[in-house]
Amino acid sequence: AQTVTQSQPEMSVQEAETVTLSCTYDTSESDYYLFWYKQPPSRQMILVIRQEAYKQQNATENRFSVNFQKAAKSFSLKISDSQLGDAAMYFCAYRGEDTGNQFYFGTGTSLTVIP
Amino acid sequence: DTGVSQNPRHKITKRGQNVTFRCDPISEHNRLYWYRQTLGQGPEFLTYFQNEAQLEKSRLLSDRFSAERPKGSFSTLEIQRTEQGDSAMYLCASRLTGGSYEQYFGPGTRLTVT
Repeated sequence: AQTVTQSQPEMSVQEAETVTLSCTYDTSESDYYLFWYKQPPSRQMILVIRQEAYKQQNATENRFSVNFQKAAKSFSLKISDSQLGDAAMYFCAYRGEDTGNQFYFGTGTSLTVIP
Repeated sequence: DTGVSQNPRHKITKRGQNVTFRCDPISEHNRLYWYRQTLGQGPEFLTYFQNEAQLEKSRLLSDRFSAERPKGSFSTLEIQRTEQGDSAMYLCASRLTGGSYEQYFGPGTRLTVT
């Protein structure tokens, strides 16, 4: 089965600064999708950003961007100009073309934003 | 569009009892997923429906677990003879076929087995 690894259980960042959350994955597939989800405390999970593996260009959504390195199987999330509302658990997720409809999630990174 | 809803939000039950959770997906979404999330872990896939058909089941889904989506709209997840190890957050997500594969999650049902 595919595995998704988030090696940073906790991260902190000063408000208005930039932070990068790391994610690596293991797969033998060539076509797949990668996602970052945000789970605020006691609230539901929402999609932050997604990346199609066939696209070389890194995805960007406002203050959120990714550094996708396919050969290294790395998919990091950069949050610029961090805001207090960014505090949450962040999960990296993988969905492969050949693995049916299963999404594989990492163990998450808890982000604290310091005022 | 009110999003994905789940009921109840919290359930406390005694070991050995049966429990049932409900998920109402976004109305036009034909695909529905169930996940289990334990403390300190990411969601783990349990099962998936396309319309009313249950197309995939994880080996995490023991025979004490059963899921249905009778009319292709809401879904129920039942756990029979609950065990303390079943204590977790049970998440439901839905999406449309194709597109970006983005799943929309509900708030979850937190199960505590005493």
